[in-house]
Parts: sequence; structure tokens; C-alpha cells
Amino acid sequence: EVQVVESGGDLVQPGGSLRLSCSASGFTFSNYAMYWVRKAPGKGLEYVSVISGSGHFTNYADSVKGRFTISRDNSKNMLYLQMSSLRAEDTAVYYCVRDYHLDVWGQGTTVTVSS
Amino acid sequence: DVVMTQSPLSLPVTLGQPASISCRSSQSLVYSDGNTYFNWFQQRPGQSPRRLIYKVSNRDSGVPDRFSGSGSGTDFTLKISRVEAEDVGVYYCMQTTHWPRTFGQGTKVEI
Repeated sequence: EVQVVESGGDLVQPGGSLRLSCSASGFTFSNYAMYWVRKAPGKGLEYVSVISGSGHFTNYADSVKGRFTISRDNSKNMLYLQMSSLRAEDTAVYYCVRDYHLDVWGQGTTVTVSS
Repeated sequence: DVVMTQSPLSLPVTLGQPASISCRSSQSLVYSDGNTYFNWFQQRPGQSPRRLIYKVSNRDSGVPDRFSGSGSGTDFTLKISRVEAEDVGVYYCMQTTHWPRTFGQGTKVEI
């Protein structure tokens, strides 16, 4: 079964850091680009970042550029999102999503930024 | 950035009746390879989003055939031929032609 499972969400103070992880299974991970997409309370879906299958191409939303870093370890079938300088507006459910055209979504992991 | 504008943002529906959601992009979504990378997603209450339609009109596996997508260039439509109770949720359009990727605001469908 094709599956992606996020973890690492937590309560963190403003200005803090957090790393999200996504474990992939059921497909050849290195063949697929991977996204992070988030949904803040009361708001819609928001693109955060993407990384190519090889890891050589990355792209970020302006709202997280310079603060978040996407990476992957194809030997472990793992996707990561390193988040720093966190703000209240980063509070959201973060989804790991497969493929440039977003065909498989995880269940999400919750990040809350609050003092 | 490409702005995706959905309408309506709230859609009261009647079971068994048709429903339609529109999405307009601020620039053409035709990619250099000739394909139009436009998608529809559904997020039911308490669930993760799932893709319903890709490349304008292609239904994903397991998506009922009462859902259909159409459009071209900058104007797109999602139609539900006969609304069922399980169709309640928020529907989002999204373009995967240009960087950065952008979503519509979402349309809440409720009975």
C-alpha cells in the first residue's frame, strides 16, 4: 500500500525550531518529488515547499523562505522539514504529499507555535 | 504568483441535485509540454485532503463518476452530477504548472 506518514509536530515557542519527518512506503521513494502543504486553523490549504526526487531541486513559499529547509534521505525513504524562527502564523497541520501533482497525502502532523 | 479564485466560497446543496464550483487562474495554466496541470482536491471534515481530479478532467482512482472536471486556459469547473451526503466538505482547486504552487481559497459544500 502506498503510504506517507508524518511525525514530529509539537507545541513550540515563538522563535523556536522544530523538525518534521515523513516516512514513505509502498513506492520507489527516489522516483517522486515530495511536498509539504499546511492548513492553518480557519484557513485554506497553503503550499509550503517541494523537493525533487533526487533532492537537487527545491522550492519554497515566500512565507517560509529563509526559515524552513526541506530535505530527504532516499536511503531511508524519509522526507524532512526543518523549521526555524517559528511564528504564530506557522501554526497549522502539516501534510506530506507525494508527486509534483500531489496524488497521495498523509494524515498530517500538528504544529502549534505559542508561548 | 498565480492567483486562483474560486466561486462560490460557500455552496448549500440538496441531496440528489447537481452542484458546480468554478475556479479561475490569473494566468494560463498551459505548460510548455502542452498539458494543463490543474487539480481539484476534496477535504472531508476530520480527514486529510485527497485529489479528485488531475490535468483538468482526469478522475483519480476510486473517485465516483458523479464528479467531473472541465475547462481550459484560465477557467475551470468541478461538477457533481447528484450530490450525496459523503460529498460534504471543502473543495480546493490548485495549479501545478507554475512556481510557486497556489491553491484556491476553498469552497465549503454543505447540505
